[in-house]
Amino acid sequence: DADVTQTPRNRITKTGKRIMLECSQTKGHDRMYWYRQDPGLGLRLIYYSFDVKDINKGEISDGYSVSRQAQAKFSLSLESAIPNQTALYFCATSDLAGGPHNEQFFGPGTRLTVL
Amino acid sequence: AQSVTQPDIHITVSEGASLELRCNYSYGATPYLFWYVQSPGQGLQLLLKYFSGDTLVQGIKGFEAEFKRSQSSFNLRKPSVHWSDAAEYFCAVGADYKLSFGAGTTVTVRA
Repeated sequence: DADVTQTPRNRITKTGKRIMLECSQTKGHDRMYWYRQDPGLGLRLIYYSFDVKDINKGEISDGYSVSRQAQAKFSLSLESAIPNQTALYFCATSDLAGGPHNEQFFGPGTRLTVL
Repeated sequence: AQSVTQPDIHITVSEGASLELRCNYSYGATPYLFWYVQSPGQGLQLLLKYFSGDTLVQGIKGFEAEFKRSQSSFNLRKPSVHWSDAAEYFCAVGADYKLSFGAGTTVTVRA
C-alpha cells in the first residue's frame, strides 16, 4: 500500500466550483505539505502544517485553504476554482524527528483541470 | 530568500552516455540540497541529499552529485544512462523547514 495517498487522482471541474483535494499518510509523519506543479515552474508551496494545530501559508496560498483534520490527513480546498488553478497538485510528508530538512515523501499527485 | 536555478530545461542523451544536470542555488547559510526525480505519471522520489561532510554524495539508481560552495552548485551526474532514466529532475534547497524547487530538467534518452 502507498504511504502517501491522494484523492482524487484526476478531477475536471468548472469555474466557480468548490473543490477539495485530500491527502492521507500512513508514515506517522508530523509535517505535511501541499504543492502545485506547473510546466516550467517546478513545484511551488501552497500550504504546510507541522502538526494538527499548526497551519502556515506558502508562497502561493491565495485562492486556497487547508484543513489538518488529523495527523494523517491534510486537505486542500479551492473555494471558487478558476482556470489558472489548473495544475498537478502534490501532497508531501516529512518526519519532524529527522531534523529541519529531512526528506519529503510525495504522493502520486492529483491532476486538476478547471474549465 | 532561497532560490534554485536549473539552467537546462531539456536534455537529450544517448543510452549509455554520461549525464550531467546543473543546479545553482542561492542561500545565505549552509544549504540543505536535494535532487528528486519524477517519472512520467508518478510522484517525486528522492535521489540524494547533501547536508554536510563529503561534498560528493552518492544516491540511488547510480546517481551522484557534487556540492561546490564556491560555485553555489550541486550538479547531478550519472556515468552511463539507461532508458529508464528518462524523467524530470528537480533540484531543491531546504530552508526554514521548507523546500524550494528549481523549475526542473526533462531528460530524454534516445536509443
